[in-house]
Amino acid sequence: GQQVMQIPQYQHVQEGEDFTTYCNSSTTLSNIQWYKQRPGGHPVFLIQLVKSGEVKKQKRLTFQFGEAKKNSSLHITATQTTDVGTYFCAGPGTASKLTFGTGTRLQVTL
Amino acid sequence: EPEVTQTPSHQVTQMGQEVILRCVPISNHLYFYWYRQILGQKVEFLVSFYNNEISEKSEIFDDQFSVERPDGSNFTLKIRSTKLEDSAMYFCASSPYRGNYGYTFGSGTRLTVV
Repeated sequence: GQQVMQIPQYQHVQEGEDFTTYCNSSTTLSNIQWYKQRPGGHPVFLIQLVKSGEVKKQKRLTFQFGEAKKNSSLHITATQTTDVGTYFCAGPGTASKLTFGTGTRLQVTL
Repeated sequence: EPEVTQTPSHQVTQMGQEVILRCVPISNHLYFYWYRQILGQKVEFLVSFYNNEISEKSEIFDDQFSVERPDGSNFTLKIRSTKLEDSAMYFCASSPYRGNYGYTFGSGTRLTVV
């Protein structure tokens, strides 16, 4: 079945440093979604990318969808302690379900 | 902002007992899902539900699991005879459209089977 992998599994940065997580799907995706889960919390939808090569920005977050629509990345510029959490990409396995990636846990210290 | 509500927030049950996890999706959403997350691991799909029937289920969702939308607002997940390995966080989610749209997740029910 479809697999969605993310690297790294864990990253620890100093506040102000940049952070990137990479997402790779075993199958071509019609779209890719990104979610953030704070420690002890639930996944919160951040954004959806649909077009090949699409780039979207949300303040310090930049999301990119690969040309082949099998990979994606999330880049955070100048991390803050509020960015702490696990970032998941997710792609439609079928029309009726999302398959979540393995997640990247981000820790930010002062 | 509309929310997906889940109750209880934490349930402890003995192995072999039945549990019912409850969810109230966002009122104008049509598609409903259950996911689970074992501590520190990824979010795993269990089942999707539309128009009062299951659209898709995973291999985890065996005969011990069932879902129901009993009254047009609640959406429940029943585990008939719980096992230790059912201990996890269970998330309900809903979306207004099929497939290509972000899900709204509830805050989850932490199920502990002892």
